[in-house]
Amino acid sequence: GNSVTQMEGPVTLSEEAFLTINCTYTATGYPSLFWYVQYPGEGLQLLLKATKADDKGSNKGFEATYRKETTSFHLEKGSVQVSDSAVYFCVLKEGNKLVFGAGTILRVKS
Amino acid sequence: EAQVTQNPRYLITVTGKKLTVTCSQNMNHEYMSWYRQDPGLGLRQIYYSMNVEVTDKGDVPEGYKVSRKEKRNFPLILESPSPNQTSLYFCASSFGVDSPLHFGNGTRLTVT
Repeated sequence: GNSVTQMEGPVTLSEEAFLTINCTYTATGYPSLFWYVQYPGEGLQLLLKATKADDKGSNKGFEATYRKETTSFHLEKGSVQVSDSAVYFCVLKEGNKLVFGAGTILRVKS
Repeated sequence: EAQVTQNPRYLITVTGKKLTVTCSQNMNHEYMSWYRQDPGLGLRQIYYSMNVEVTDKGDVPEGYKVSRKEKRNFPLILESPSPNQTSLYFCASSFGVDSPLHFGNGTRLTVT
């Protein structure tokens, strides 16, 4: 079946550091891919998405490129802020079902 | 304000006592779904609904029931809760499965 694998956290960075959170997937067809973010005590919010190969999703300084050849959708940000501290989920959609990765905790220190 | 409202936020119950977690959205969304969040496992889909009277199983439907009699409401029913259903539950909705999901703030359920 479909699955999503994210790098294990927590990831701890200093403010203004470069961020990469790895995400790889397995799917039988051509899924859409998403990154959702969960701030403490809240539900998840959509951060960005890509619906086909080579698409780049971007929002709030975060980017991710849908790489079909490596089945990856890594999340990057050039300069993180303390307010980016949250849990990040890589999500795959195929058909009517959504499959979530386990989530990666990001902690940014000032 | 556009929102997904879950109730209750916290619930402690005993094994076998039927309970319902309510979910309501005010955005006229067609798609609604339930997830449970467990440490190290991320979110797993329990049930989803594409529209009124249309529901389908997600990845972990055992021990749960849902109904979609009206567009705005999608309650999650545990007929006979067990301790392995202790978890954090989220309801979400969207215009369609391709649209961004709007999540509620979660219900933390403890079954003793």
